[in-house]
Amino acid sequence: AQSVTQLDSQVPVFEEAPVELRCNYSSSVSVYLFWYVQYPNQGLQLLLKYLSGSTLVKGINGFEAEFNKSQTSFHLRKPSVHISDTAEYFCAVSDQGAGFQKLVFGTGTRLLVSP
Amino acid sequence: NAGVTQTPKFQVLKTGQSMTLQCAQDMNHEYMSWYRQDPGMGLRLIHYSVGAGITDQGEVPNGYNVSRSTTEDFPLRLLSAAPSQTSVYFCASSYYGSNEKLFFGSGTQLSVL
Repeated sequence: AQSVTQLDSQVPVFEEAPVELRCNYSSSVSVYLFWYVQYPNQGLQLLLKYLSGSTLVKGINGFEAEFNKSQTSFHLRKPSVHISDTAEYFCAVSDQGAGFQKLVFGTGTRLLVSP
Repeated sequence: NAGVTQTPKFQVLKTGQSMTLQCAQDMNHEYMSWYRQDPGMGLRLIHYSVGAGITDQGEVPNGYNVSRSTTEDFPLRLLSAAPSQTSVYFCASSYYGSNEKLFFGSGTQLSVL
């Protein structure tokens, strides 16, 4: 079984500052990795995903994430945040061998961007 | 393109009442699922389906029933609501494949008194 740990429940940051949201996972099998974003009063939407190949993955809205197999991490970064990035961010994993989309989510990190 | 549609958006129930949360998608996705979202616990999988007539349990299935008679619809039934089922419920769907993107509905906020 897989598990995902997001150590930071909340990350406050000023506008135009860089940010990193941390994600660590645990699995006995190969996994796919995802970051989803949830804006207030909305459902989740995909930010980016790592399937294979280059360990640096670029997503929408200027976000990127780096897969580190030795540290079992998939941290999300943005070099300069905007007020509109205020949202909750979820890291998730799925079993490559499962054949279908059965995601295990972390507990989420709330990003608070202030002027 | 409607995507994933959930109804109702809000619901208040009394303990012991039953109700059905509706979920419909118009993208011809094989895979559909229900999650509940609780503060500090993220999203937890309740039930899922990989196609019409096929359902299976997720991480927290107790107290919930599902069926999948068509590709488009995947209702979630609470037979006897309990206060512990107060939560926000999300339906999600995708094409078959563990690397596929999940499409989420906008959620149903359920309160059980």
